[in-house]
Amino acid sequence: QKEVEQNSGPLSVPEGAIASLNCTYSDRGSQSFFWYRQYSGKSPELIMSIYSNGDKEDGRFTAQLNKASQYVSLLIRDSQPSDSATYLCAAGPGGYQKVTFGTGTKLQVIP
Amino acid sequence: DAMVIQNPRYQVTQFGKPVTLSCSQTLNHNVMYWYQQKSSQAPKLLFHYYDKDFNNEADTPDNFQSRRPNTSFCFLDIRSPGLGDAAMYLCATSVDQGNQPQHFGDGTRLSIL
Repeated sequence: QKEVEQNSGPLSVPEGAIASLNCTYSDRGSQSFFWYRQYSGKSPELIMSIYSNGDKEDGRFTAQLNKASQYVSLLIRDSQPSDSATYLCAAGPGGYQKVTFGTGTKLQVIP
Repeated sequence: DAMVIQNPRYQVTQFGKPVTLSCSQTLNHNVMYWYQQKSSQAPKLLFHYYDKDFNNEADTPDNFQSRRPNTSFCFLDIRSPGLGDAAMYLCATSVDQGNQPQHFGDGTRLSIL
């Protein structure tokens, strides 16, 4: 059973701080990793994709991947109240196999 | 803008009354997915199409069926909805299978009376 694990939270951070969201995955063969943001009652929205070890930055968001440790993280700098949402981590094994989603971490940014 | 569009946004049906949810895309993506998501849970893949090839998940109940009449449209049919089928149903697309990111529609919230 391929699993993607996330702490359900809530993770509370003050406005302007760095929010750090973590994710581990069980399938060592995973090749692709995705972070989605999901507001309450809405659908997931793709934020970042990462495929190689190291950091990938996009605006206030940085995704970090460590395949040896089977660990993916998402850093949100200068957190804003509008970042308050559930963040889903997903891992894809590549080929024709399906992507596995975690249950998400709820982030609360306190004004 | 290229989009994934789901209709309706909210659907109320009666226990046992068939219901159809629709999804269309202007992204011209090869793969279309249907997910079921319940509160505080991960999206659960029901099935997906790679072009016209249908791929059913092993644990998807027979009550759930899908049709993809062309590249742009995909339908989810629930033949006899039960109370446990109340959920958000998400349609997603991707350029290809495997390592490609998925793009979601706004979802259909299904309620069962």
